[in-house]
Amino acid sequence: DAMVIQNPRYQVTQFGKPVTLSCSQTLNHNVMYWYQQKSSQAPKLLFHYYDKDFNNEADTPDNFQSRRPNTSFCFLDIRSPGLGDAAMYLCATSRAYRRVSTDTQYFGPGTRLTVL
Amino acid sequence: GQQVMQIPQYQHVQEGEDFTTYCNSSTTLSNIQWYKQRPGGHPVFLIQLVKSGEVKKQKRLTFQFGEAKKNSSLHITATQTTDVGTYFCAGQENTDKLIFGTGTRLQVFP
Repeated sequence: DAMVIQNPRYQVTQFGKPVTLSCSQTLNHNVMYWYQQKSSQAPKLLFHYYDKDFNNEADTPDNFQSRRPNTSFCFLDIRSPGLGDAAMYLCATSRAYRRVSTDTQYFGPGTRLTVL
Repeated sequence: GQQVMQIPQYQHVQEGEDFTTYCNSSTTLSNIQWYKQRPGGHPVFLIQLVKSGEVKKQKRLTFQFGEAKKNSSLHITATQTTDVGTYFCAGQENTDKLIFGTGTRLQVFP
């Protein structure tokens, strides 16, 4: 009964070769988040969608883009991966209320990205 | 910008000992959530605290939200090996996003 699904679980790409990570949810939550987590660090929010409204964090590099074609799916595109982009990428969903609060965030299992 | 710090960064305890992690925000929070991440896993929600001075218990875990809503703590009584993992607090400031704390990694020796 997976609720937040991420594919693939492991992704290997070459330096500079574009890669797309996917996330899907069965919870019908209105908010979807993408986090980057490096070893022994906290998850770092890259951006999130409140419904179709895209919200980028100020320090997220332009190299990272996202798409949310419908409520259930969200994609993370890394246009030109560098060695420093190797990390675990976590997708999460939640139900938010008028953008002033949010309930529990449900995380997917993550995609571990390796850049060669 | 808003920062959320946790101490200690690491804690090693003998099974049966107690454990506490402290969370401090640079700004006043509307609420705080706690997550546990097992090694190799993803963060899993534990609890949410909303009211000033709120205390909630889950079996051996006790969560507290400070009076000023800028700090929080998680206390585990009589740790077990299943408690191993990294505990993150995550604060909200009247937005739809969380700012995760730096985390405390707990190791429990049998």
